[in-house]
Amino acid sequence: AQSVTQLGSHVSVSEGALVLLRCNYSSSVPPYLFWYVQYPNQGLQLLLKYTSAATLVKGINGFEAEFKKSETSFHLTKPSAHMSDAAEYFCAVSFNAGGTSYGKLTFGQGTILTVHP
Amino acid sequence: DAGVIQSPRHEVTEMGQEVTLRCKPISGHDYLFWYRQTMMRGLELLIYFNNNVPIDDSGMPEDRFSAKMPNASFSTLKIQPSEPRDSAVYFCASSLVGVSYNEQFFGPGTRLTVL
Repeated sequence: AQSVTQLGSHVSVSEGALVLLRCNYSSSVPPYLFWYVQYPNQGLQLLLKYTSAATLVKGINGFEAEFKKSETSFHLTKPSAHMSDAAEYFCAVSFNAGGTSYGKLTFGQGTILTVHP
Repeated sequence: DAGVIQSPRHEVTEMGQEVTLRCKPISGHDYLFWYRQTMMRGLELLIYFNNNVPIDDSGMPEDRFSAKMPNASFSTLKIQPSEPRDSAVYFCASSLVGVSYNEQFFGPGTRLTVL
């Protein structure tokens, strides 16, 4: 079975500081991995996705994530935080195989990012 | 494309009343998902459809909840009778599996308050 664990339900950084949001996954087959962002009172929006083409994936708003198979991780980073980055971030995993999980995303529990001036 | 459309955006109702939430997926997408989000339980998958057929409804909390997808462009989630603990934000999402690596596109959500 596939699963996702996000380490830290809340992360707080200063404006201009590095953002690091951690995600570890469990999957019996090569996964597809996603990061979504949810701004207050909005739906989830795709930040970036890993589909096995390249291990370092660049997304919108300056975010990137690196797929590390040996560590089963897909951590999200941004070199310099902006106030506008304050939101909740979700890591998700999927894979393209048969069975009842086909087409589903399994989401982590989310990490709320707070950015201080 | 207009994206996934949900209506209403906000719903306030009294306990015992029937509530119907609506969703229009992105045209051409073959999967549709209903999620519920609360502070306590986070994001939960309730049910999903493939080509209008329910595939997995194991996340539907009780028999009070039902979902239908009569055609490729419309789905409903119904709660009857509603209870205060059903208060949450309900999201609909759609995807084109096999083409977009299962990427899901989310609607803006319906915020339900049951008094």
